Parts: sequence; structure tokens; C-alpha cells
Amino acid sequence: ETVMTQSPTSMSTSIGERVTLNCKASQSVGINVDWYQQTPGQSPKLLIYGASNRHTGVPDRFTGSGFGRDFTLTISNMEAEDLAVYYCLQYGSIPYTFGAGTKLELK
Amino acid sequence: EVQLVESGGGLVQPGRSLKLSCVASGFTFSNYGMNWIRQAPGKGLEWVAYISSGSSYIYYAETVKGRFTISRDNAKNTLYLQMTSLRSEDTALYYCARHDYPEWFAYWGQGTLVTVSS
Repeated sequence: ETVMTQSPTSMSTSIGERVTLNCKASQSVGINVDWYQQTPGQSPKLLIYGASNRHTGVPDRFTGSGFGRDFTLTISNMEAEDLAVYYCLQYGSIPYTFGAGTKLELK
Repeated sequence: EVQLVESGGGLVQPGRSLKLSCVASGFTFSNYGMNWIRQAPGKGLEWVAYISSGSSYIYYAETVKGRFTISRDNAKNTLYLQMTSLRSEDTALYYCARHDYPEWFAYWGQGTLVTVSS
């Protein structure tokens, strides 16, 4: 099983700040990584697929990058609506596995 | 508009069974693989099972293999998860999610809550 390790577990941010979230795979998964955003009481929403492709309707302040084992989600200009938990997912091998999440909070 | 509506959750005793359903609309259900994904209260996401569009390929997480069965009825646009020998650690919100390529889980339902407790 491929373990996805996200860091940090939580992060205090400010509106307008640049935020970088990390995800590290225990083995290479190529570009087979998605990023999901989950706000309280809501289902997860797809942000990024294939490591770097924005899903339809996702603002361009969200950018994904990485290949192999190391992946990054960057929010270039933090907005209040971005306060959420972010999960990475690998689908390079079964079982598909999620990271434990990174929670973004306001300072 | 793609819609996925789960149902069938509830309170069940350990060792008992429960069957979840997910009704799909807004797309041609028989063209897509489907998944079940769960989230324990206050915890992260765990992929549970996948079924291909024609039911030829089925995969499970090790934590549920042998106890859960994923199935579908394309005529009824419905996905199922039969859960047996339930344990307290199966307590979670169960989501169905459409399997897209290359996006993977682009569409999710709102989830149905399963609570396993005596």
C-alpha cells in the first residue's frame, strides 16, 4: 500500500498569504495524484488532478505540482473561502490512498 | 447536472449487516465506474471499493475485503454496498463517487452515515 504523508497537519494563515501544502508518497506514483478540498459539513471537492491540472471551475490561485514521490499544492493568494481541509490522493496503485489532510485556519 | 444520492445508513449493532444505495442521475450511469469512500467522524478519507462500469472489475480496501460487497444495477442507475460483520471501526459517513478519467473522483454524493454500536 502506498502511504501518503501530508505536511503540515495544520497551518495558520492570513488572507492574501501564499500557502504551500505538501504530500509525500511512500513510493513513486508518477503524476497520479489529486488534491481535494473539504469544508465543514460538505463533501470533498476535486481541485487538482494528474498532479497539476486544475479541475473545471477551480480558481487559478490553486496550483499543483510534483512527480514521483513529492507533490505540492499552492494557494497563491489565500481567500476566506479557502479555509478548509485539503487531502491528497494517489491513484497510481490499488488501494487508492489519501493523505491524512492539512487543515488551514486563520491566524 | 450530475447527482449522486446515498441512502441506507443508520444505527446497527456490531456483527450485523447493512446495505447502502447510491442513486445516480444526470449522466449515463452504465458508462462509468463507481466507488465507495468513507470518512469516520472527525477523521480523514478512506477509499473502500471500486466497481467498473460493467461490473467486470471490482477492488476492495483490505480493511473491508471479505465483509463488504460492491455491486450495481445499471438498469436502475444504482450502486450498492452490502456490508456484513460490521465493526465499530466501520462507523463513518459513506460517500459514493463517480470514477472519472483522468480526474478520478470528480463527483461525490452527500454521504450516508453508518453508526455501528451496541
